[in-house]
Amino acid sequence: DAGVIQSPRHEVTEMGQEVTLRCKPISGHNSLFWYRQTMMRGLELLIYFNNNVPIDDSGMPEDRFSAKMPNASFSTLKIQPSEPRDSAVYFCASSLDALGFYGYTFGSGTRLTVV
Amino acid sequence: AQKVTQAQTEISVVEKEDVTLDCVYETRDTTYYLFWYKQPPSGELVFLIRRNSFDEQNEISGRYSWNFQKSTSSFNFTITASQVVDSAVYFCTYGGATNKLIFGTGTLLAVQP
Repeated sequence: DAGVIQSPRHEVTEMGQEVTLRCKPISGHNSLFWYRQTMMRGLELLIYFNNNVPIDDSGMPEDRFSAKMPNASFSTLKIQPSEPRDSAVYFCASSLDALGFYGYTFGSGTRLTVV
Repeated sequence: AQKVTQAQTEISVVEKEDVTLDCVYETRDTTYYLFWYKQPPSGELVFLIRRNSFDEQNEISGRYSWNFQKSTSSFNFTITASQVVDSAVYFCTYGGATNKLIFGTGTLLAVQP
């Protein structure tokens, strides 16, 4: 089992550019979660999917953020246009159940720096 | 609203000491789950344990043990005979009726050789 795979591991981009983060969940896991971690706000849930359908996107900070899950093995988080305040570590996690109550398996994260 | 409090921001111990990380939660949910996650310096988040609100049995896994007490709304984590590899940030996490996991602010544990 390769675990949850995120790419890229690091991303440095200029303000105003589009950024796309990618995630491959564990095969067989029905739910996928996108989290953001910053020093100021800690770990925040941005959005989660169950069976590829977005269930709760109330954590998405604004319209510049969008997420998709076209199939069970792939999800993207896009920021367009990016801003310096978007700099954070973005984690993808997957779980067997819809609420993650069996525990999430997290990817290694993408460290995003917007300059 | 649900809340998780980890009052200890940082703890520093010397190797082989025992250390307890405190976690207190607030909720009105009758059914909920509590978790601990570890974030080592490499940055990944590692699932350690899950407990549901109906199971107050303490659990031991090697040098790790967890004490869940509903009467005090606490879910404390003890590392026995700490090792340098235990150095990490530890997050206590709550999951309940809101369908979202709520992470505490984390406790940074530094184990000195």
